Amino acid sequence: ETGVTQSPTHLIKTRGQQVTLRCSSQSGHNTVSWYQQALGQGPQFIFQYYREEENGRGNFPPRFSGLQFPNYSSELNVNALELDDSALYLCASSPRTADYGYTFGSGTRLTVV
Amino acid sequence: AQSVTQLDSQVPVFEEAPVELRCNYSSSVSVYLFWYVQYPNQGLQLLLKYLSGSTLVKSINGFEAEFNKSQTSFHLRKPSVHISDTAEYFCAVRVSGYSTLTFGKGTMLLVSP
Repeated sequence: ETGVTQSPTHLIKTRGQQVTLRCSSQSGHNTVSWYQQALGQGPQFIFQYYREEENGRGNFPPRFSGLQFPNYSSELNVNALELDDSALYLCASSPRTADYGYTFGSGTRLTVV
Repeated sequence: AQSVTQLDSQVPVFEEAPVELRCNYSSSVSVYLFWYVQYPNQGLQLLLKYLSGSTLVKSINGFEAEFNKSQTSFHLRKPSVHISDTAEYFCAVRVSGYSTLTFGKGTMLLVSP
């Protein structure tokens, strides 16, 4: 059973650019959530996808968008990058009933310069 | 809206000493509670969870946490820590009926010889 895999592991972008982060969910998990973890902070919920549709969103602007594919993998897209977008982006997958918590990937470290 | 407070940002302790990491939450509805651990440059790993039943829950590596509804707390304890327990620990809450997690800011456990 494979876990959650994220790519790339590290990324450096320039302010104003766009970025796409990718996530493959754990086998059997159909729900994917994305979290942003700024330095020294706890993860903050960005949004969640279930059956290819957004199923909840945190307090993030529309330039943060996502997709979920039929195989339950997911992408996080961020447009018009700002310096404050520098963070560790974590993907987490779960069965529809998340009673057993989420399985997190190792994250993508995004640095915006 | 729910929130999680981890009262200590850093807890230094000597090897083989006991430790308690404090977590308080606020919510007007039923919650599920989780502790996650994050080692340097890694994602989050589920340490233990409280869903229902016995208020004392234990992990396989000696940690335990007790759900106290009257004090809205879910403190994490270990009677004897190891150097390898050095990591960041996050308390998280999920409101019944919702699938997103709200995290605290984390507590860095520093175990020294």
